[in-house]
Amino acid sequence: GESVGLHLPTLSVQEGDNSIINCAYSNSASDYFIWYKQESGKGPQFIIDIRSNMDKRQGQRVTVLLNKTVKHLSLQIAATQPGDSAVYFCAGRGSWGKLQFGAGTQVVVTP
Amino acid sequence: ETGVTQSPTHLIKTRGQQVTLRCSSQSGHNTVSWYQQALGQGPQFIFQYYREEENGRGNFPPRFSGLQFPNYSSELNVNALELDDSALYLCASSPGRSQETQYFGPGTRLLVL
Repeated sequence: GESVGLHLPTLSVQEGDNSIINCAYSNSASDYFIWYKQESGKGPQFIIDIRSNMDKRQGQRVTVLLNKTVKHLSLQIAATQPGDSAVYFCAGRGSWGKLQFGAGTQVVVTP
Repeated sequence: ETGVTQSPTHLIKTRGQQVTLRCSSQSGHNTVSWYQQALGQGPQFIFQYYREEENGRGNFPPRFSGLQFPNYSSELNVNALELDDSALYLCASSPGRSQETQYFGPGTRLLVL
């Protein structure tokens, strides 16, 4: 079946270091992927997206990499800050445009 | 802030009751999707409404139903509540049926006792 999953439930990162969050997907038909950030008590917040015809996309302090061969994408956060502490979800677009989410990775930024 | 609003923010119900959750989409967005997020998990797609019609449905029973109004706001109705319906209910709006980027509201936290 279709699924989107994350490799690690928790990632502890020192402030100023780079963070890498990984995600695997199984639906080869997914043509679009999004990363969301969810802070406690809030809804998911859009970070960055990437289409399947791309392998890399950069935003402000964030980069998403897509490897369609192994069905893997990652989110890199440069110079991680305390405000980056949150749960990060990857989502792939399935049928009817619905987003299929993984379980999320909790990023904890330590001083 | 995404401009997507939801009400109420919190709700407590008992088993067997019915609940209605509301969502106002971002200005200019005609598509609303609803998701259920259990504690510690990712959001699960319930259904999507596009121009007042259901445009796709996830693996949820018929007691989960919805509406979309001419102003593109939407309601999620859940009948015969079960304990497992306790979750954060999220709505997301997007500017069109095929538009990928969905912007989420803050959610409604439902607790079923």
